[in-house]
Amino acid sequence: GENVEQHPSTLSVQEGDSAVIKCTYSDSASNYFPWYKQELGKGPQLIIDIRSNVGEKKDQRIAVTLNKTAKHFSLHITETQPEDSAVYFCAAGGQGAQKLVFGQGTRLTINP
Amino acid sequence: DVKVTQSSRYLVKRTGEKVFLECVQDMDHENMFWYRQDPGLGLRLIYFSYDVKMKEKGDIPEGYSVSREKKERFSLILESASTNQTSMYLCASSLGRGQTQYFGPGTRLLVL
Repeated sequence: GENVEQHPSTLSVQEGDSAVIKCTYSDSASNYFPWYKQELGKGPQLIIDIRSNVGEKKDQRIAVTLNKTAKHFSLHITETQPEDSAVYFCAAGGQGAQKLVFGQGTRLTINP
Repeated sequence: DVKVTQSSRYLVKRTGEKVFLECVQDMDHENMFWYRQDPGLGLRLIYFSYDVKMKEKGDIPEGYSVSREKKERFSLILESASTNQTSMYLCASSLGRGQTQYFGPGTRLLVL
């Protein structure tokens, strides 16, 4: 079955700097890759996703890149702000898949 | 906005007790999911349901069962709670295959 590895497990950056979180997956049939943000005391919330027919997707300060050949995808946050502090999860799913496989999570801390 | 609610934010139970965790979604979603979240392990799928009275095992179904008698409600049952089931439990729903999953706020369960 699918296996998703996420790195790093913790990340601390200065406010205004960029943050990058990376994930690798094992199943070449996977073609849907969402990223979720979980704030303290809340459930995860989708922030951006990408499907395998595109290599990059951007939404304001957040971007996701996908390399299907290497089977890895990354989340990029630019101009980080204190409210970006949270736990971030990547996930992978197959064509029309009903279930997702999640990475282990990255705790991102933005230092003022 | 999609709303997924979970019956309790915190629960404390004794070993051997039968535990019910309830989840309700208000957007007529076909799919519903139960995950557990543990530090360093990310989100792991316990069970999911793609229709009323239908269920499928996820990656870690042992010690759990589920019930979906109505489309909007998905229950997770711990027949005989054990200490290793102490965890955060997250419910999610999605409109259909390969669609965004929306999460509830989670139930933190402590089994003593």
